[in-house]
Order: sequence, then C-alpha cells, then structure tokens
Amino acid sequence: EAGVTQFPSHSVIEKGQTVTLRCDPISGHDNLYWYRRVMGKEIKFLLHFVKESKQDESGMPNNRFLAERTGGTYSTLKVQPAELEDSGVYFCASSPNADTQYFGPGTRLTVL
Amino acid sequence: GENVEQHPSTLSVQEGDSAVIKCTYSDSASNYFPWYKQELGKRPQLIIDIRSNVGEKKDQRIAVTLNKTAKHFSLHITETQPEDSAVYFCAGVIGSGNTGKLIFGQGTTLQVKP
Repeated sequence: EAGVTQFPSHSVIEKGQTVTLRCDPISGHDNLYWYRRVMGKEIKFLLHFVKESKQDESGMPNNRFLAERTGGTYSTLKVQPAELEDSGVYFCASSPNADTQYFGPGTRLTVL
Repeated sequence: GENVEQHPSTLSVQEGDSAVIKCTYSDSASNYFPWYKQELGKRPQLIIDIRSNVGEKKDQRIAVTLNKTAKHFSLHITETQPEDSAVYFCAGVIGSGNTGKLIFGQGTTLQVKP
C-alpha cells in the first residue's frame, strides 16, 4: 500500500509569489490533515478535511492560506502571497478514522 | 489553551542505556496519545500509541505509560541503539467528537552514542 505522498519535496520562492503544495493521502482515507513545522519548533495543526469538507480550519494562520480537497481525494494548500514567516516544512497526514494519522514526507518551503 | 509540553528538548545516552521522554497535556478530554519518530529528512513515523483506557503499552524495546489523573504520559526506550537517534514527538488528540486534531509537543532530539 502506498503511503501519503507530497509534492514538491522542496520549493524556494520569493516573497509575494504564490506556491501550491499537493498531498495525496492513502487510498480510502477520508480524513486528511495539514500541519506545519516552522524553524525546528513543534509541528502545528493547520486544518482537517473529512472527504471534501473542511472539518476544522482553526489552525490556518490567515487568509493567505487556502486549502482545497475537491472530490475528496488529493488536497492542495496554496499560499498567496507568500511571506518570509511562511517558511517551514508542511506536512500532510491521512487517517481512516480521525485517529491514527500517517504522515507524508513533507514539503520544505523557503520564502526569500 | 490546548497544549502539550515535552521534556527534555535534547537527550544524549550511551548505547544500551534507557531513554525516557515525558509529556504533559492540558485537555482532560484527550483520549489518544501517539508518539512519532522523525529521522533527519524523513517523515514523522508513528512508533507507538496509547488510549486513555490503558495505562501502559509495550512493543519490543518501546513502552508508553499514561497517567490520566496527572495528565502525563511517557515514552521509554530500553537497550538503545544508534538507529534510535532521531527527534521524537509526543502528541495528544484534542477535543471531542473524534476530530483527530493532534497537538504536538516541542520534540526531543535523542542522540544515542555508540
């Protein structure tokens, strides 16, 4: 069974540009989560999808971040416009039961 | 607010010794506590978890204990090996209704010296 995959693995952009991160969950997992780890700190929750619906987006930093999960399969997280403080590693995780979560390898975002 | 505190932030042990990492949580409604291991440049990997109706769980060299009254849980690694070197994160599921929102501790960098 394939694990959670994320694309790209690394992204370097300039302040003000737009970046879109993609996450493909484990097949059949209705629950999909986005997390972020900034500068070696703890991993922080961003939001949670159940199928295509946003269950909890309380961790989204501001309206420059937009997450979608059209069709309830893969998800995208768009940052527009990117700021310096958005740099970090963005993780996606999926779960069959809103409990045990399996993480992807992450996307390292660097905003210059 | 909801939070999970993890200690120590760094831990260095000699190969063969035991390592203990401790976490406390604030939300008494939390009922699921996973531990993740993240090796350099790799994804966080679930290594063990415990639910609130269990006090202790063991898997080979790894064990986790939970004290619901005191709201703390610990990871115990026995007979440590160099490949145990990694960053370890504790987490708790916060909130009700199985939302699955994980609140992570700050992480512990474990170094096992050969």
